Amino acid sequence: DTGVSQNPRHKITKRGQNVTFRCDPISEHNRLYWYRQTLGQGPEFLTYFQNEAQLEKSRLLSDRFSAERPKGSFSTLEIQRTEQGDSAMYLCASSSPGRALNTEAFFGQGTRLTVV
Amino acid sequence: AQSVAQPEDQVNVAEGNPLTVKCTYSVSGNPYLFWYVQYPNRGLQFLLKYITGDNLVKGSYGFEAEFNKSQTSFHLKKPSALVSDSALYFCAVRSNQAGTALIFGKGTTLSVSS
Repeated sequence: DTGVSQNPRHKITKRGQNVTFRCDPISEHNRLYWYRQTLGQGPEFLTYFQNEAQLEKSRLLSDRFSAERPKGSFSTLEIQRTEQGDSAMYLCASSSPGRALNTEAFFGQGTRLTVV
Repeated sequence: AQSVAQPEDQVNVAEGNPLTVKCTYSVSGNPYLFWYVQYPNRGLQFLLKYITGDNLVKGSYGFEAEFNKSQTSFHLKKPSALVSDSALYFCAVRSNQAGTALIFGKGTTLSVSS
């Protein structure tokens, strides 16, 4: 499968714990995005990487959230001191080189986080 | 601020009938518009996009969408619905003045009955 891969698919954690999610984009894609989706809502943008550089961050990305893409390939999203409000589906997407505005993003199946 | 509105939470059509899923947007600058579909337990799948040029764009699975600049709309259409089209549909927009983030609507559930 050459699509966007996210692990784990599901994560249940206790409030206050730290969690880390991984995203492996499509291999030739240099752009990578993280989104969050809650029930009944569309995906909300969190952050964007071009290669290893984090170029955009949403105001939704609080200090407890950090994302990395150290070698310009896979990315990780870490949430520290999780809160119940962090419960959501976390989506990763990637897109190919070319004009950023023109190119569609391809999404992974997401990681569903439940904070209890 | 950029925004996307999908005014209908749910659209119901009978198989074989035409379908329309509505989307309106608000952006500064030129809009780049996208439609995605989400099936249960599957990721968002790209359907089609409008960048520039012809206002009618054709996409996957027989879907098309019409860009209307004066009405700031980008409605998704299909001439003949299939039961397998039943899914959650999202409209999204980018602007040349607001970065690369896609801004999504809340989604419209399409239900096609046999």
